[in-house]
Amino acid sequence: QQQVRQSPQSLTVWEGETAILNCSYEDSTFNYFPWYQQFPGEGPALLISIRSVSDKKEDGRFTIFFNKREKKLSLHITDSQPGDSATYFCAATESGSFNKLTFGAGTRLAVCP
Amino acid sequence: DPKIIQKPKYLVAVTGSEKILICEQYLGHNAMYWYRQSAKKPLEFMFSYSYQKLMDNQTASSRFQPQSSKKNHLDLQITALKPDDSATYFCASSQDSSGNTLYFGEGSRLIVV
Repeated sequence: QQQVRQSPQSLTVWEGETAILNCSYEDSTFNYFPWYQQFPGEGPALLISIRSVSDKKEDGRFTIFFNKREKKLSLHITDSQPGDSATYFCAATESGSFNKLTFGAGTRLAVCP
Repeated sequence: DPKIIQKPKYLVAVTGSEKILICEQYLGHNAMYWYRQSAKKPLEFMFSYSYQKLMDNQTASSRFQPQSSKKNHLDLQITALKPDDSATYFCASSQDSSGNTLYFGEGSRLIVV
């Protein structure tokens, strides 16, 4: 059973549009949700994260919306740029778990110029 | 310059053989991890170490053995290799083992034939 699910599997948007990446989770004990960005041939890099006490976290063009009741979150990338083309992973963990992150399968984003 | 160095970047191994994946981090972190990314599964947590002590082990097989000779080293020995072990293995580190950002290396891609 997948603990963290992401949709869609792949997404294509035009430059300047808003890309919306979705994530849901099963485990109610999860309370920290980082999003990682991965380019081909590289390791994942932290993009933005949110804790379950918040319902929104913004960092420049990247915003996480979090719905604890529904166990869902989404990453919005506004004014998408070709350089944002990458795979985005939603992850989850709980405090005290020694940074044992549970990752989703990822959303591959392509931004067309 | 990469702050987490993984060696080798690519390797091909024969079924039944043994390989060691090297990881060194120069971030001054106290916690280190191994994660695995394969074609069939999302990024999976394998091990976490804090101050050179094993904190968590999520691998079902004893064929995977982490080795920490220094605080900034966490190697991964894999014995009796199987084709199913083919994956990219990522080393990561964080300041400590509680709720800090994970920084990933570029990975070691292992193919077992």
